[in-house]
Amino acid sequence: TQLLEQSPQFLSIQEGENLTVYCNSSSVFSSLQWYRQEPGEGPVLLVTVVTGGEVKKLKRLTFQFGDARKDSSLHITAAQPGDTGLYLCAVNAGGTSYGKLTFGQGTILTVHP
Amino acid sequence: KAGVTQTPRYLIKTRGQQVTLSCSPISGHRSVSWYQQTPGQGLQFLFEYFSETQRNKGNFPGRFSGRQFSNSRSEMNVSTLELGDSALYLCASSLFRASYSPLHFGNGTRLTVT
Repeated sequence: TQLLEQSPQFLSIQEGENLTVYCNSSSVFSSLQWYRQEPGEGPVLLVTVVTGGEVKKLKRLTFQFGDARKDSSLHITAAQPGDTGLYLCAVNAGGTSYGKLTFGQGTILTVHP
Repeated sequence: KAGVTQTPRYLIKTRGQQVTLSCSPISGHRSVSWYQQTPGQGLQFLFEYFSETQRNKGNFPGRFSGRQFSNSRSEMNVSTLELGDSALYLCASSLFRASYSPLHFGNGTRLTVT
């Protein structure tokens, strides 16, 4: 059983469409991170959410942390080809496990022009 | 400011051989973590080093080892390579050892075992 369940696994959409990616768990987390990874590169941190119910915006990307801090969503408005990539949610294992992130399986997003 | 540098970018090895991968963290970053990325298992934590000491280890066999030098540069070694070790190996550095300290990833070393 995966600690973090991401859905959907694949998403193929046309430029201008909106989309939402989900990251769910039965565990409670003190914080959750979202990364984007482009082909041939390492993941790049997009945002860290720490408070239940928190909403953060990064241009056309909106991140929400669930009230119970068990889940999170990433919403992209008017997607562009440059948004194409692998989106990953991740949590810290907690305690003294700094640097030890547990990742979801990822959502591969393809935005067609 | 230079990012995390991993060398080499690509490696092809034969089953049974061993391999050493190198990682230079961002200047000033003292924490270095290693991850393995495969299509089937996704991103999985290998180990974390801070001040030349291994602080955390993931669920990988003893064939996987690493070390960190006094300048924070890190290496990981895989001995007796198996076909299943083919993967993208990512190194990440962090300024602090804290849950809020973001990880900065390199572009990885693509290892192919034949």
